[in-house]
Parts: sequence; C-alpha cells; structure tokens
Amino acid sequence: EVQLVESGGGVVQPGGSLRLSCAASGFTFDDYAMHWVRQAPGKGLEWVSLINGAGGSTYYADSVKGRFTISRDNSKNSLYLQMNSLKTEDTALYYCAKDRNDYGDQASDYWGQGTLVTVSS
Amino acid sequence: DIVMTQSPDSLAVSLGERAAINCKPSQSVLYSSNNKNYLAWYQQKPGQPPKLIIYWASTRESGVPDRFSGSGSGTDFTLTISSLQAEDVAVYYCQQYYSSPYTFGQGTKLEIK
Repeated sequence: EVQLVESGGGVVQPGGSLRLSCAASGFTFDDYAMHWVRQAPGKGLEWVSLINGAGGSTYYADSVKGRFTISRDNSKNSLYLQMNSLKTEDTALYYCAKDRNDYGDQASDYWGQGTLVTVSS
Repeated sequence: DIVMTQSPDSLAVSLGERAAINCKPSQSVLYSSNNKNYLAWYQQKPGQPPKLIIYWASTRESGVPDRFSGSGSGTDFTLTISSLQAEDVAVYYCQQYYSSPYTFGQGTKLEIK
C-alpha cells in the first residue's frame, strides 16, 4: 500500500525558514517523480514544485522560485521542501504527491494528508 | 503559464441527475507527438487530500466508478458524472501537466440540490 506522510510544518515568523519532509513507502521511490502542492485555508490547490525520480531535474512555481528548494534522498525514501524567506501568503496545508512516472509529466495518483505551515508574526 | 479556468464555480444537482464541469486551459494541452491531452481531474472531499479520478483527459483511475467520465481535447474539457450520488459531493479540480508550472483550475464545488 502506497503511503505518503508529511511532517515538519508549524508556525514560523515572516522571513523565517522551515523544512518539510515526506516519508514514502509501498512503492519503489526512485522510480517516480514527486510533487509538492499546497492549499491555503479555504482556498484551491496550488502546485508548488516537482522533482524527477533521480533528483536531477526540479521545477518550481513562480511564487516560490528562489525561496524554496525541493530535494529527495532515495536511500531514505524521503522527499523534502526547504522553505526560506517565508511570507504570510505561504500559509497553507502542504501536500506531497506521487507522480505516475519518473519524469513528472503525468498526473499525481497518491497524496499524503498534508502538513500545515503557518507564517505569522 | 497555462491558466486553467473552470466553470461553474459551484453546481447543485439532484440525486440521480447528470452533473457536468468544464475546464478551459488558456493554451492547448494536447501533445501532438503522442496525441495525448495532459489533463487530469481530482476530487477533494472536506478534510481529505485530493483524489485522482481522471488522467489523460479521459482515462478513469483504477477503482473510480464508471459514472465518472472525462472528455474533450486541446482547450476544452468536461468532467461528467452521469448519475449523481450523495458521496460525489466534493470540490473538483482540473490540472494540466503539459508544462511547468502544472497549474490547477480554481475548483468547482458540487452539491446536492
């Protein structure tokens, strides 16, 4: 059974940093690209970032480019999102999601339950 | 960036009736080399993560009831629920995965009339 479990969320002040993690199990982790998608309270879904299976290709939404860094450790079946220079508008539930293939050019077929990030002074 | 526009924003349909949600990408998401539309539909119920229901615009994900269907090509897509059930109450999102950033529509809230 595929499982994705996010952690690392919390309350942080504007300008601060946070590192999210996603522990994956139930599939061959390095065979699949992974995404981060966020959802502000009461709002819709916003795609944040993508990393391919090998970890050599990454993509970002314009809203986080230069501030967030996606990475993965395939030996630990883990996905990460390093978030720096956080803004109040980054407040959201952050989901990790598995792509249907290695490159990341397909839909996301499994999602975690999310971890909540609150940016507030 | 490809802008995804869904309509309507909300929809109320009687049980057993048909529901249709539209999604219009600002540019074509049809990849000519493989003739595939890079578009997915997700269902999100309150307090739950999104669930993939349709990919490649019309391929139903495993385990999804056959009352759900996707159609369209290029810049015009539709998610149809042929006979609405109570458990279909949710917010539905389309997403393009043709090019980064992989944008979502704003969502359509489906309720029972």
